[in-house]
Amino acid sequence: DIQMTQSPSSLSASVGDRVTITCRASQSIGNYLNWYQQKPGKAPKLLIYAASSLQSGVPSRFSGGGSGTDFTLTISSLHPEDFATYYCQQSYSTLPLTFGGGTKVEIK
Amino acid sequence: QLQLQESGPGLVKPSETLSLTCTVSGGSISSSSYYWGWIRQPPGKGLEWIGSISYSGSTYYNPSLKSRLTISVDTSKNQFSLKLSSVTAADTAVYYCASLDSSGYYLLDWGQGTLVTVSS
Repeated sequence: DIQMTQSPSSLSASVGDRVTITCRASQSIGNYLNWYQQKPGKAPKLLIYAASSLQSGVPSRFSGGGSGTDFTLTISSLHPEDFATYYCQQSYSTLPLTFGGGTKVEIK
Repeated sequence: QLQLQESGPGLVKPSETLSLTCTVSGGSISSSSYYWGWIRQPPGKGLEWIGSISYSGSTYYNPSLKSRLTISVDTSKNQFSLKLSSVTAADTAVYYCASLDSSGYYLLDWGQGTLVTVSS
């Protein structure tokens, strides 16, 4: 299995801050990396696919980067509605698809 | 945008079979643009991919669950289903169904999720 490691596991930030979350794969996955946002009691929502493609309807303050084994999700200016847990997911190997452990973004 | 809705029992006894159905609306389950998948999330924990099925009926199971798992499609009802046998307390989780992009294997649209508790 391809292991996905996210860091940090949690962070505290203020509205307006720039936030970067890192995801590392245990082997090269090209650009087969996707990012999701999950709010409490809700299903995850796709933000970024193929490492850097913004899903339709997602605000442009979200951006993704990286390739190979190291990837980032950046929120350029944190909005109140962005406080949530973020997950990365690799889709290079479909058996199995695997997720990172999550990064919880909390209000400072 | 597709709408997906999970249905099934919220309580299953240990050693029995967990059965869930996902009803898809807003599009055809036979579309070649999508695969269909199940994901679960134990309370307070992260996401685990359970398995997927293609529009042609090909299945892809998480190896950790493969021996207990069956995913199937009913095109006449625009539904797909999950059966997980011999459940234990470790299978207690919120179960989500979702559509997957058939080329990039990312999860596009999700159901709201349903909590399944394994307990006697």
